[in-house]
Amino acid sequence: QQQVKQSPQSLIVQKGGISIINCAYENTAFDYFPWYQQFPGKGPALLIAIRPDVSEKKEGRFTISFNKSAKQFSLHIMDSQPGDSATYFCAASWTGRRALTFGSGTRLQVQP
Amino acid sequence: DGGITQSPKYLFRKEGQNVTLSCEQNLNHDAMYWYRQDPGQGLRLIYYSQIVNDFQKGDIAEGYSVSREKKESFPLTVTSAQKNPTAFYLCASSGRTGTNTEAFFGQGTRLTVV
Repeated sequence: QQQVKQSPQSLIVQKGGISIINCAYENTAFDYFPWYQQFPGKGPALLIAIRPDVSEKKEGRFTISFNKSAKQFSLHIMDSQPGDSATYFCAASWTGRRALTFGSGTRLQVQP
Repeated sequence: DGGITQSPKYLFRKEGQNVTLSCEQNLNHDAMYWYRQDPGQGLRLIYYSQIVNDFQKGDIAEGYSVSREKKESFPLTVTSAQKNPTAFYLCASSGRTGTNTEAFFGQGTRLTVV
């Protein structure tokens, strides 16, 4: 019930392309869905987050799409750049336990 | 600068020893968390604390202990009972509990058993 499943495990995209990472969850009590970006040897940093009362949120080149009925959400990175090469984690939490539950991560490589 | 400071950055432990990882925050956050990250895996929750003098076990608490005597500090002890302690340990903090607030992470401590 606490699991968040993330795919793909790794992703290679050409510069300027669109990167898409997907996550699915089971716990319908989840009400906060952030995405984190992590560079090697560093701690994760918040990229963008969404609540289930909206179906999409966009910040610059990053967009979260949220499908409440399917219990799925995804991260879209438009115009992907080599500097976007990092590991991306989806996560979820709910009022009863604010500690985040993380997906297994997606290693993104953007080729020049 | 405001943030979360973890120390040391690298730590080596002999088998059978207990070691303590430090985590300090000056963000005035109520909640603090410890996560473990293994290569190619996501972050798994070890312990979390929502207020001073209170903490709860996470998903993989066995072999670990914590204390929360001060709001700004949440040290993690990796005991000899932890069978496979080699990992990257991340501390985080967030604002008021019960709301969707951003969790800020430290830069991590890499623990290696030698």
